[in-house]
Amino acid sequence: DGGITQSPKYLFRKEGQNVTLSCEQNLNHDAMYWYRQDPGQGLRLIYYSQIVNDFQKGDIAEGYSVSREKKESFPLTVTSAQKNPTAFYLCASSGDREQLNTEAFFGQGTRLTVV
Amino acid sequence: EDKVVQSPLSLVVHEGDTVTLNCSYEVTNFRSLLWYKQEKKAPTFLFMLTSSGIEKKSGRLSSILDKKELFSILNITATQTGDSAVYLCAVEKYIAGGANNLFFGTGTRLTVIP
Repeated sequence: DGGITQSPKYLFRKEGQNVTLSCEQNLNHDAMYWYRQDPGQGLRLIYYSQIVNDFQKGDIAEGYSVSREKKESFPLTVTSAQKNPTAFYLCASSGDREQLNTEAFFGQGTRLTVV
Repeated sequence: EDKVVQSPLSLVVHEGDTVTLNCSYEVTNFRSLLWYKQEKKAPTFLFMLTSSGIEKKSGRLSSILDKKELFSILNITATQTGDSAVYLCAVEKYIAGGANNLFFGTGTRLTVIP
Protein backbone atom coordinates (compact mmCIF):
# COMPACT_ATOMS: atom_id res chain seq x y z
CA ASP A 1 0.00 0.00 0.00
CA GLY A 2 1.26 3.46 -0.87
CA GLY A 3 1.64 5.93 1.91
CA ILE A 4 3.82 8.14 4.01
CA THR A 5 5.51 6.90 7.17
CA GLN A 6 6.89 8.91 10.02
CA SER A 7 8.98 7.57 12.83
CA PRO A 8 9.21 7.50 15.72
CA LYS A 9 5.69 8.20 16.95
CA TYR A 10 6.94 9.65 20.23
CA LEU A 11 10.38 11.09 20.91
CA PHE A 12 11.94 12.48 24.04
CA ARG A 13 14.97 14.67 23.87
CA LYS A 14 17.21 16.20 26.46
CA GLU A 15 17.98 19.85 26.15
CA GLY A 16 21.04 20.46 24.01
CA GLN A 17 20.63 17.32 21.92
CA ASN A 18 19.95 17.08 18.23
CA VAL A 19 17.29 14.61 17.10
CA THR A 20 16.25 13.44 13.66
CA LEU A 21 12.67 12.67 12.65
CA SER A 22 12.19 10.25 9.79
CA CYS A 23 9.73 10.66 6.90
CA GLU A 24 9.49 8.15 4.05
CA GLN A 25 6.97 8.00 1.21
CA ASN A 26 6.39 5.49 -1.58
CA LEU A 27 3.87 7.56 -3.51
CA ASN A 28 6.34 8.81 -6.12
CA HIS A 29 5.64 12.35 -4.93
CA ASP A 30 8.07 15.07 -5.85
CA ALA A 31 7.22 17.54 -3.11
CA MET A 32 7.65 16.86 0.59
CA TYR A 33 6.95 19.10 3.55
CA TRP A 34 7.56 19.38 7.26
CA TYR A 35 5.05 21.14 9.47
CA ARG A 36 4.97 21.91 13.12
CA GLN A 37 1.71 22.04 15.05
CA ASP A 38 1.33 23.60 18.48
CA PRO A 39 -1.80 23.58 20.64
CA GLY A 40 -4.31 26.08 19.37
CA GLN A 41 -2.30 26.87 16.28
CA GLY A 42 -2.44 25.76 12.68
CA LEU A 43 0.19 23.96 10.71
CA ARG A 44 3.31 26.04 10.25
CA LEU A 45 5.71 25.19 7.46
CA ILE A 46 9.28 24.42 8.53
CA TYR A 47 10.93 23.25 5.33
CA TYR A 48 9.82 21.93 1.99
CA SER A 49 11.47 20.20 -0.91
CA GLN A 50 10.29 20.21 -4.51
CA ILE A 51 12.88 17.83 -5.85
CA VAL A 52 15.79 15.68 -4.78
CA ASN A 53 18.83 17.58 -3.52
CA ASP A 54 16.87 20.80 -3.20
CA PHE A 55 14.90 22.26 -0.30
CA GLN A 56 13.61 25.62 0.83
CA LYS A 57 12.98 27.26 4.19
CA GLY A 58 9.42 27.69 5.28
CA ASP A 59 8.05 30.15 7.82
CA ILE A 60 9.83 28.78 10.90
CA ALA A 61 13.04 27.14 9.70
CA GLU A 62 15.33 28.45 12.43
CA GLY A 63 16.74 25.65 14.55
CA TYR A 64 15.87 22.95 12.01
CA SER A 65 17.71 21.30 9.14
CA VAL A 66 16.67 18.86 6.42
CA SER A 67 18.13 16.81 3.59
CA ARG A 68 16.63 15.30 0.45
CA GLU A 69 19.14 12.80 -0.85
CA LYS A 70 16.44 10.44 -2.11
CA LYS A 71 13.01 11.15 -3.53
CA GLU A 72 11.41 8.90 -0.94
CA SER A 73 13.02 10.39 2.14
CA PHE A 74 12.95 13.80 3.81
CA PRO A 75 14.38 13.64 7.34
CA LEU A 76 14.09 16.60 9.69
CA THR A 77 16.75 17.35 12.31
CA VAL A 78 15.72 19.40 15.31
CA THR A 79 18.90 21.02 16.50
CA SER A 80 19.83 22.37 19.91
CA ALA A 81 19.39 25.84 18.43
CA GLN A 82 15.60 25.36 18.34
CA LYS A 83 14.47 27.13 21.49
CA ASN A 84 11.07 25.56 21.86
CA PRO A 85 11.10 22.19 20.11
CA THR A 86 8.30 20.48 22.02
CA ALA A 87 5.53 20.08 19.44
CA PHE A 88 3.74 17.73 17.10
CA TYR A 89 5.56 17.35 13.78
CA LEU A 90 3.79 16.35 10.58
CA CYS A 91 5.38 15.32 7.32
CA ALA A 92 3.44 15.49 4.05
CA SER A 93 4.01 14.84 0.38
CA SER A 94 2.22 15.85 -2.78
CA GLY A 95 2.60 16.32 -6.49
CA ASP A 96 3.14 13.26 -8.58
CA ARG A 97 4.59 14.55 -11.85
CA GLU A 98 2.48 12.09 -13.79
CA GLN A 99 -0.80 13.33 -12.35
CA LEU A 100 -2.34 16.73 -11.95
CA ASN A 101 -3.86 18.07 -8.80
CA THR A 102 -3.01 15.34 -6.37
CA GLU A 103 -3.85 15.98 -2.76
CA ALA A 104 -1.24 15.98 -0.03
CA PHE A 105 -0.83 12.89 2.09
CA PHE A 106 0.23 13.14 5.69
CA GLY A 107 2.19 10.88 7.95
CA GLN A 108 0.81 10.05 11.40
CA GLY A 109 3.08 12.56 13.06
CA THR A 110 5.86 12.56 15.65
CA ARG A 111 5.30 14.05 19.05
CA LEU A 112 8.59 15.47 20.30
CA THR A 113 9.00 16.34 23.96
CA VAL A 114 12.05 18.00 25.45
CA VAL A 115 12.80 16.84 28.98
CA GLU B 1 2.99 37.08 0.10
CA ASP B 2 0.93 33.93 -0.18
CA LYS B 3 -1.62 33.37 2.58
CA VAL B 4 -4.65 31.34 3.51
CA VAL B 5 -7.14 32.64 6.09
CA GLN B 6 -9.82 30.53 7.73
CA SER B 7 -12.79 31.70 9.72
CA PRO B 8 -14.12 31.35 12.28
CA LEU B 9 -11.20 30.13 14.37
CA SER B 10 -13.56 28.06 16.48
CA LEU B 11 -17.20 27.15 16.48
CA VAL B 12 -19.48 25.37 18.94
CA VAL B 13 -22.80 24.00 17.70
CA HIS B 14 -25.46 21.51 18.77
CA GLU B 15 -26.05 18.21 17.05
CA GLY B 16 -28.27 18.65 14.03
CA ASP B 17 -27.12 22.17 13.27
CA THR B 18 -25.69 23.16 9.90
CA VAL B 19 -22.30 24.88 9.82
CA THR B 20 -20.36 26.79 7.19
CA LEU B 21 -16.61 27.11 7.40
CA ASN B 22 -14.80 29.73 5.37
CA CYS B 23 -11.44 29.84 3.64
CA SER B 24 -10.07 32.81 1.73
CA TYR B 25 -6.74 32.88 -0.01
CA GLU B 26 -4.19 34.99 -1.82
CA VAL B 27 -1.86 32.67 -3.66
CA THR B 28 -0.09 33.15 -6.95
CA ASN B 29 -0.18 30.36 -9.52
CA PHE B 30 -3.17 28.73 -7.88
CA ARG B 31 -3.58 25.08 -8.65
CA SER B 32 -6.19 23.71 -6.25
CA LEU B 33 -7.77 24.15 -2.84
CA LEU B 34 -8.00 21.28 -0.41
CA TRP B 35 -9.97 20.63 2.76
CA TYR B 36 -8.78 18.30 5.50
CA LYS B 37 -10.23 17.07 8.75
CA GLN B 38 -7.87 16.64 11.68
CA GLU B 39 -9.11 14.82 14.76
CA LYS B 40 -6.13 13.71 16.76
CA LYS B 41 -3.21 12.93 14.53
CA ALA B 42 -2.79 13.15 10.79
CA PRO B 43 -5.18 15.27 8.76
CA THR B 44 -7.44 13.23 6.52
CA PHE B 45 -8.37 14.40 3.07
CA LEU B 46 -11.91 15.62 2.40
CA PHE B 47 -12.08 17.51 -0.89
CA MET B 48 -9.98 18.94 -3.65
CA LEU B 49 -11.44 21.84 -5.62
CA THR B 50 -10.02 23.16 -8.84
CA SER B 51 -12.93 24.74 -10.70
CA SER B 52 -15.24 27.55 -9.65
CA GLY B 53 -18.88 26.89 -8.95
CA ILE B 54 -18.77 23.10 -8.99
CA GLU B 55 -19.93 21.68 -5.69
CA LYS B 56 -18.25 18.60 -4.34
CA LYS B 57 -20.31 16.48 -2.01
CA SER B 58 -19.64 13.58 0.30
CA GLY B 59 -22.49 12.58 2.55
CA ARG B 60 -23.34 15.50 4.81
CA LEU B 61 -20.28 17.47 3.73
CA SER B 62 -20.05 19.69 0.70
CA SER B 63 -17.68 22.32 -0.57
CA ILE B 64 -17.48 24.87 -3.32
CA LEU B 65 -14.81 27.19 -4.69
CA ASP B 66 -15.06 30.73 -6.02
CA LYS B 67 -11.88 31.53 -7.93
CA LYS B 68 -13.00 35.03 -8.74
CA GLU B 69 -13.55 36.05 -5.13
CA LEU B 70 -10.74 33.73 -3.91
CA PHE B 71 -12.59 31.76 -1.29
CA SER B 72 -14.10 28.41 -0.53
CA ILE B 73 -16.71 27.19 1.94
CA LEU B 74 -17.15 23.85 3.60
CA ASN B 75 -20.70 23.00 4.67
CA ILE B 76 -21.66 20.32 7.12
CA THR B 77 -25.37 19.59 7.51
CA ALA B 78 -27.05 17.73 10.38
CA THR B 79 -23.86 17.83 12.42
CA GLN B 80 -22.93 14.92 14.66
CA THR B 81 -20.51 14.70 17.58
CA GLY B 82 -18.16 12.77 15.30
CA ASP B 83 -17.77 15.89 13.21
CA SER B 84 -15.89 17.56 16.06
CA ALA B 85 -12.41 18.24 14.71
CA VAL B 86 -10.14 20.90 13.31
CA TYR B 87 -10.89 21.57 9.65
CA LEU B 88 -7.91 22.70 7.62
CA CYS B 89 -7.92 24.53 4.33
CA ALA B 90 -4.85 24.39 2.11
CA VAL B 91 -4.05 25.95 -1.22
CA GLU B 92 -1.75 24.27 -3.67
CA LYS B 93 0.26 26.48 -5.98
CA TYR B 94 2.06 25.47 -9.08
CA ILE B 95 5.83 25.71 -9.05
CA ALA B 96 7.86 25.59 -12.24
CA GLY B 97 9.20 22.10 -12.76
CA GLY B 98 5.99 20.23 -12.08
CA ALA B 99 5.94 20.14 -8.30
CA ASN B 100 3.54 21.97 -6.02
CA ASN B 101 3.62 24.02 -2.87
CA LEU B 102 1.04 23.86 -0.09
CA PHE B 103 -0.08 26.69 2.14
CA PHE B 104 -2.33 25.95 5.11
CA GLY B 105 -4.71 28.10 7.05
CA THR B 106 -4.73 27.94 10.84
CA GLY B 107 -7.85 25.80 10.83
CA THR B 108 -11.33 26.05 12.30
CA ARG B 109 -11.98 24.04 15.46
CA LEU B 110 -15.52 22.67 15.35
CA THR B 111 -17.10 21.30 18.50
CA VAL B 112 -20.48 19.57 18.22
CA ILE B 113 -22.37 19.27 21.50
CA PRO B 114 -24.86 16.42 21.96
